[in-house]
Amino acid sequence: DTGVSQDPRHKITKRGQNVTFRCDPISEHNRLYWYRQTLGQGPEFLTYFQNEAQLEKSRLLSDRFSAERPKGSFSTLEIQRTEQGDSAMYLCASRDNRGREETQYFGPGTRLLVL
Amino acid sequence: GNSVTQMEGPVTLSEEAFLTINCTYTATGYPSLFWYVQYPGEGLQLLLKATKADDKGSNKGFEATYRKETTSFHLEKGSVQVSDSAVYFCALSDSGNNRLAFGKGNQVVVIP
Repeated sequence: DTGVSQDPRHKITKRGQNVTFRCDPISEHNRLYWYRQTLGQGPEFLTYFQNEAQLEKSRLLSDRFSAERPKGSFSTLEIQRTEQGDSAMYLCASRDNRGREETQYFGPGTRLLVL
Repeated sequence: GNSVTQMEGPVTLSEEAFLTINCTYTATGYPSLFWYVQYPGEGLQLLLKATKADDKGSNKGFEATYRKETTSFHLEKGSVQVSDSAVYFCALSDSGNNRLAFGKGNQVVVIP
């Protein structure tokens, strides 16, 4: 088991450009979560999937953000028309909710800088 | 809604000193409580957890007890090492969708 992986680890873009991040969860984990962490703050929940279904979206997730998990395995998070305020660390976590284990396992994150 | 409050400011202490990081929470229902640690340049790692009142989570010499009466989950370690320098986050898990609500985190710096 290689853990949760995220790609890219770093992204620098210009304001107005679109960016897409990828998350590969631990295999067999049916739940996948996205969080955003800004400097000096704890992570904030954005959205989560159970298998391929997106079950909840935070109010933080504006219309410019879209997330998918088409086959219930990897997930992508796209930000359209990026703004400087989107600069943050984007974290992905996965969990298997079919048993009693509640722990979410986090990836290393993608650090986004919007110039 | 659910929320977690951690004590303000970084924590700087000498090696072998006693560490306490305070965490209090507000939640409906019966959340599970977690401490995550983030070492420099790395992702969040689970340090310990407790799923019901009076449970004690422990790992790597760290301990925290789920206190429902004071809505607290304070982290303690009796003798810190330089390698414990990291950012520590307290979090709670919503009992439904299990999304995590985090505190702001505390930077811990251990000086040799």
